[in-house]
Amino acid sequence: DQQVKQNSPSLSVQEGRISILNCDYTNSMFDYFLWYKKYPAEGPTFLISISSIKDKNEDGRFTVFLNKSAKHLSLHIVPSQPGDSAVYFCAAGGNNRLAFGKGNQVVVIP
Amino acid sequence: DAGITQSPRHKVTETGTPVTLRCHQTENHRYMYWYRQDPGHGLRLIHYSYGVKDTDKGEVSDGYSVSRSKTEDFLLTLESATSSQTSVYFCAISESVAGNSNEQFFGPGTRLTVL
Repeated sequence: DQQVKQNSPSLSVQEGRISILNCDYTNSMFDYFLWYKKYPAEGPTFLISISSIKDKNEDGRFTVFLNKSAKHLSLHIVPSQPGDSAVYFCAAGGNNRLAFGKGNQVVVIP
Repeated sequence: DAGITQSPRHKVTETGTPVTLRCHQTENHRYMYWYRQDPGHGLRLIHYSYGVKDTDKGEVSDGYSVSRSKTEDFLLTLESATSSQTSVYFCAISESVAGNSNEQFFGPGTRLTVL
């Protein structure tokens, strides 16, 4: 069974608007959650993370929200820029291992 | 960027042949991982290492073996390659720090095609 789920495989958004990516997980024992960004033919790059004891973490244009009771997290990108066009992976971690979702393709339209 | 290299970057091989992929790091990180990425599956953990000669299986370990004889190198071997192992393989490293999010840093990937 997949422990981390990302629905809505693709998202198109106008430049300057907000992009919202959602992620659900099943294991309440996860200690931390991360978002990665991936361009074609490159490895994933770390974007932002949040500990299970927090409900929000912000870094520049990127904010991650965690709702532990719902086992749900989201990534907000505002304002969206053309360089944000990529695949975004949600990951959940514990015991130095990560479980990844299938990814969301984001296209930012100039 | 974390110092992680993977070799080869591309490989085409035939069914039944052995294949070894190499991951090399210059960060002296304790943990190293091998993932595969396939359409519709995201990233799936094959094997990981938590120290020299210390390895463990991930969720898709069948048909793969690993070795780590030095901190900086983590090898992934396909004993007898099959077409289902055609994929993009990523190596990652991390350093466990108490209270930290323990993010993993990824290499550039190896595209493997098994004919």
